[in-house]
Amino acid sequence: NAGVTQTPKFQVLKTGQSMTLQCAQDMNHNSMYWYRQDPGMGLRLIYYSASEGTTDKGEVPNGYNVSRLNKREFSLRLESAAPSQTSVYFCASSEAGFQGGNYNEQFFGPGTRLTVL
Amino acid sequence: GQSLEQPSEVTAVEGAIVQINCTYQTSGFYGLSWYQQHDGGAPTFLSYNALDGLEETGRFSSFLSRSDSYGYLLLQELQMKDSASYFCAVRGLSGGSYIPTFGRGTSLIVHP
Repeated sequence: NAGVTQTPKFQVLKTGQSMTLQCAQDMNHNSMYWYRQDPGMGLRLIYYSASEGTTDKGEVPNGYNVSRLNKREFSLRLESAAPSQTSVYFCASSEAGFQGGNYNEQFFGPGTRLTVL
Repeated sequence: GQSLEQPSEVTAVEGAIVQINCTYQTSGFYGLSWYQQHDGGAPTFLSYNALDGLEETGRFSSFLSRSDSYGYLLLQELQMKDSASYFCAVRGLSGGSYIPTFGRGTSLIVHP
């Protein structure tokens, strides 16, 4: 049981290049999320997918797109990378989404450290 | 929108007790949670409070007062391994869903 896995672990891009960050979970969770973390900042939600087939914008979606490929996989795409997107990106999953009365603990992947030059 | 305030840094000695406070502003509040993150690592869940009062999990306890929009994380019998960043997060209503917003984190430094 690997939990949440992310690839790659590190990436350096030039301004204007594109790339896709991959995330997969093996806990049969319905909901998945993408966050970015910058120094001195908390985690900021980029996009989330409450269930397979749905995606919604979070707090900072500009410059990103996502795909919920199936229940296990949720990818984040940078179409034209900018230096402002230099950050650590975390993928997370939870059993259910944010609605409802029960809290659903989020399980985080190890992160992808992205530098855009 | 949502916003949270927590101290940027707290220091304490091994064996002591430390309290990390969190105040929040949110619409449609739906719970306060705490996560721990070691340097270079991923956040891991510590606790969640939906109702007022104290929740205890081993050496860690978390408290919530919804009327004061305030909560805290209490760490007892501090150990060196507790040196990490601690984030509070609230679930607040945004666009029809209760999405989480994280505070900027409190760096806890435990000295021997």
